[in-house]
Amino acid sequence: ELKVEQNPLFLSMQEGKNYTIYCNYSTTSDRLYWYRQDPGKSLESLFVLLSNGAVKQEGRLMASLDTKARLSTLHITAAVHDLSATYFCAVDKYGGSQGNLIFGKGTKLSVKP
Amino acid sequence: GAGVSQSPSNKVTEKGKDVELRCDPISGHTALYWYRQSLGQGLEFLIYFQGNSAPDKSGLPSDRFSAERTGGSVSTLTIQRTQQEDSAVYLCASSPGGANVLTFGAGSRLTVL
Repeated sequence: ELKVEQNPLFLSMQEGKNYTIYCNYSTTSDRLYWYRQDPGKSLESLFVLLSNGAVKQEGRLMASLDTKARLSTLHITAAVHDLSATYFCAVDKYGGSQGNLIFGKGTKLSVKP
Repeated sequence: GAGVSQSPSNKVTEKGKDVELRCDPISGHTALYWYRQSLGQGLEFLIYFQGNSAPDKSGLPSDRFSAERTGGSVSTLTIQRTQQEDSAVYLCASSPGGANVLTFGAGSRLTVL
């Protein structure tokens, strides 16, 4: 059974600081997805990482994928309050192309002034 | 439509009643997914449709849950004889198919009293 584990599950950080969220998964997959969820809202796609070594950046967020280690990271640089949200990583259930995503439990990020 | 539309946005029902939740995917999206998000939990995969067929129903928690999709478009998730543990936000997502990014709807919040 595919397992997707994120850590930490809760993260409180000050504005201007850097931090990394980790996502481990238990089966072979060459793609990984990151989503953001604001309170009371639905999920918004952030990144799709499609191969080993893939790195994508958007603003203060940078995601990377190591398929050999079955690990993805989401790095936050110089956090600002607007980044406060819950971040989910997800992996395709069959490691392939059906899009049945299995999600981690999410990392709730709170950025304080 | 412009996005994934779900209705109702909120539903309060009594234990033992049946409920129907509706999802209208983005026009042209062949793949449709239902997920459940319970308080403090991650997203739980329920069912996946490709066109009108459901190749993966493995996430449906019990035989009280069923879903159908007609005309390759609108989908209905039906929960019979609701229980309190069914209380959750039910999220629908669609994609063009394959390993494309899922676009989520705003969700239907179900409360079973």
